[in-house]
Amino acid sequence: GNSVTQMEGPVTLSEEAFLTINCTYTATGYPSLFWYVQYPGEGLQLLLKATKADDKGSNKGFEATYRKETTSFHLEKGSVQVSDSAVYFCALSAAGNKLTFGGGTRVLVKP
Amino acid sequence: DTGVSQNPRHKITKRGQNVTFRCDPISEHNRLYWYRQTLGQGPEFLTYFQNEAQLEKSRLLSDRFSAERPKGSFSTLEIQRTEQGDSAMYLCASSLVGLEGYTFGSGTRLTVV
Repeated sequence: GNSVTQMEGPVTLSEEAFLTINCTYTATGYPSLFWYVQYPGEGLQLLLKATKADDKGSNKGFEATYRKETTSFHLEKGSVQVSDSAVYFCALSAAGNKLTFGGGTRVLVKP
Repeated sequence: DTGVSQNPRHKITKRGQNVTFRCDPISEHNRLYWYRQTLGQGPEFLTYFQNEAQLEKSRLLSDRFSAERPKGSFSTLEIQRTEQGDSAMYLCASSLVGLEGYTFGSGTRLTVV
């Protein structure tokens, strides 16, 4: 079956530090890949996505590249802010409808 | 459009009681999904509807769970004879076609005591 594995948190960083959250997946076919963010007390929001190999998704300074050869979709941001403190979820969709999520990575950015 | 709306936001119930949650999707979205998220975990797919038809159900959806979407608009998720293991956040999402514009609601947090 389909599965997503992402690094466990919490990840604690200082403001302006570089952030990487690793995500690898197992899926049949050619899935679409997503990063969702969940701020405290709020619902899941789509951060970025990529639908085919070598695509790069980007939004709000975050980037992730769909690497088919390593089945990975790592999330990066060059300079984090306190407002980036949240839980980040990697997800895939293999059939164009439901999402399969990783366990989430909590990120805490300190001033 | 106010997005995907879920009610109630919080529900505390005694073990063995029945509970029902409601989800109002974005009005033009024809697909509606239910997920369950337990503390410290990612959301897990439960079921989804296209219009009023329930097209897929996860094996996580035991016989005590039932979901409906009459008239293809709002949806309800009912849990009968609740157990402590049902305590979780229940998330609803809607989309127009596939994952296009996939939008989550803020969820209903269920606590079974």
